[in-house]
Amino acid sequence: EADIYQTPRYLVIGTGKKITLECSQTMGHDKMYWYQQDPGMELHLIHYSYGVNSTEKGDLSSESTVSRIRTEHFPLTLESARPSHTSQYLCASSTTGELSYEQYFGPGTRLTVT
Amino acid sequence: KNQVEQSPQSLIILEGKNCTLQCNYTVSPFSNLRWYKQDTGRGPVSLTIMTFSENTKSNGRYTATLDADTKQSSLHITASQLSDSASYICVVSDRGSTLGRLYFGRGTQLTVWP
Repeated sequence: EADIYQTPRYLVIGTGKKITLECSQTMGHDKMYWYQQDPGMELHLIHYSYGVNSTEKGDLSSESTVSRIRTEHFPLTLESARPSHTSQYLCASSTTGELSYEQYFGPGTRLTVT
Repeated sequence: KNQVEQSPQSLIILEGKNCTLQCNYTVSPFSNLRWYKQDTGRGPVSLTIMTFSENTKSNGRYTATLDADTKQSSLHITASQLSDSASYICVVSDRGSTLGRLYFGRGTQLTVWP
């Protein structure tokens, strides 16, 4: 099992609140990713990072922001949550080099905004 | 447009039976194809990864095939178990970027009944 952790696992929060979803990995991977997944739908990349101080937006437009101050930590923040943000958020990481195509996923955070 | 299509969308089989899931893709240039298993409320876990030169790979009761010419892949599950109930996701990576962009299918939801 991959050493990548996400907290909280479930979060129910009211509209307008600021939230931060935590993601940490202990594998020393340079690349980290955030995906959004709705039930029965494919994963969509919303943010990624090549390494410390590197962050990029993914394919799916998202009002969330990310930071990468430490290699092992890649938190995602929503300044003002809305019901449209209700979804599952998956964090992943991968190494560089020969095995860079292997992404390891965390267990996900199920976010519900009421 | 790079796409990954999976069929069937859902499948119900009896415990002990075999089944085959299909994946068609249009991703180009192709780097590799992987199958993930995603249990409800969890992150995807890699089952197999195949590069262009590989046409079959096994992982226990899971056997994946790849036909890079027709851009088709299949995942065969032998002697199904109740724990096989999950979503099986086909993911294709392109060779066009250092990120190793992933294209996700919507998954096949497999239910194994006793």
